[in-house]
Amino acid sequence: KQEVTQIPAALSVPEGENLVLNCSFTDSAIYNLQWFRQDPGKGLTSLLLIQSSQREQTSGRLNASLDKSSGRSTLYIAASQPGDSATYLCAADSGGGADGLTFGKGTHLIIQP
Amino acid sequence: NAGVTQTPKFRILKIGQSMTLQCAQDMNHNYMYWYRQDPGMGLKLIYYSVGAGITDKGEVPNGYNVSRSTTEDFPLRLELAAPSQTSVYFCASSYSRGARTEAFFGQGTRLTVV
Repeated sequence: KQEVTQIPAALSVPEGENLVLNCSFTDSAIYNLQWFRQDPGKGLTSLLLIQSSQREQTSGRLNASLDKSSGRSTLYIAASQPGDSATYLCAADSGGGADGLTFGKGTHLIIQP
Repeated sequence: NAGVTQTPKFRILKIGQSMTLQCAQDMNHNYMYWYRQDPGMGLKLIYYSVGAGITDKGEVPNGYNVSRSTTEDFPLRLELAAPSQTSVYFCASSYSRGARTEAFFGQGTRLTVV
């Protein structure tokens, strides 16, 4: 059974810093790894999706990497802004979409102005 | 495009009552899912569907039922509501193109059972 762990559970940094959020998964036989952002009381917004054949994906100030052999993914946020404050969730797709995603518990990020 | 639409956004139920959470998507996705999210926890899969007429249990299906009569709609039924079903419920849909499967989520339904 796939298990996903996110470290740290919470992080508070000053504005402007670069930061890394970590995600690990126990079963390396994944199809995709997807990163989401969740604002308080809101739904999940997809940030980046990395297919199993890819090493990284970039969108603006966000860069996500994937190392299947070690069961790890990282989300790098450059030049953090207060608007980046949210909970970040990673999720592993082990069934090609047919049986859903396995989620970590998330990293609650606060960017101090 | 509306994407994934859930109704209602909020609901308070009394113990033993029943209700249906509605979910509709307009992206012609084959796959649809229901998750629940409890405070401080990740999302857990309740039920999923790979197409109209096909549903299957996820990790936490007890106390829930689903149906999928059309590609667009995937309602979740709660029978005999219990306090343990107090949670935020998310519906999602996904497409699959080769090896790429990306999920899209609704805004959630916050349910309180008292």
